[in-house]
Amino acid sequence: DTGVSQDPRHKITKRGQNVTFRCDPISEHNRLYWYRQTLGQGPEFLTYFQNEAQLEKSRLLSDRFSAERPKGSFSTLEIQRTEQGDSAMYLCASRPEKRGNEQFFGPGTRLTVL
Amino acid sequence: AQKVTQAQTEISVVEKEDVTLDCVYETRDTTYYLFWYKQPPSGELVFLIRRNSFDEQNEISGRYSWNFQKSTSSFNFTITASQVVDSAVYFCALSAYSGGGADGLTFGKGTHLIIQP
Repeated sequence: DTGVSQDPRHKITKRGQNVTFRCDPISEHNRLYWYRQTLGQGPEFLTYFQNEAQLEKSRLLSDRFSAERPKGSFSTLEIQRTEQGDSAMYLCASRPEKRGNEQFFGPGTRLTVL
Repeated sequence: AQKVTQAQTEISVVEKEDVTLDCVYETRDTTYYLFWYKQPPSGELVFLIRRNSFDEQNEISGRYSWNFQKSTSSFNFTITASQVVDSAVYFCALSAYSGGGADGLTFGKGTHLIIQP
């Protein structure tokens, strides 16, 4: 059983640059989630998809952030004009449709904005 | 709005001691789910347990046990006979029981558990 994978695992960028992260969920999971985790804090919900539809976005997701899941499989999270405050671990999770099932998390992408 | 509070930032115990991690939550939903996740030093969140709000039966899994008390909005986690491998950050989380949305998990800030040999 292949788990949730994320790429890249680490990204260092300069302020103002754009970055894109990829998440591949567990294959039969139609719900996909993005979270952000800063040092010493719990993960914070950003957005989620049911198949290709983006159903909810957190207030944390500023207009510099955009997420897509074009074919209901993998998802991308893009951050435009990165700021130092964007430095964090970006986590992806997935789960099947059935209500209440736990979310399975990927290893995360650690972003450092210089 | 939902909120999860883990008041214990860090706990340090000696191996083989029992330890309880506290979790208090707030929600306006009448039905909801509660979770515990473990984040070892490697960083990947590992699911431990899910509890429905309408099921207050406590659960035991090996050295792990969970005490859900709806009256006090608490979902505490106890590790019996702790081991060094239990060292990690533990997160309590909450999600609404709704069909169309509000599906993201609300996490507490986590409790860093250190088991000393």
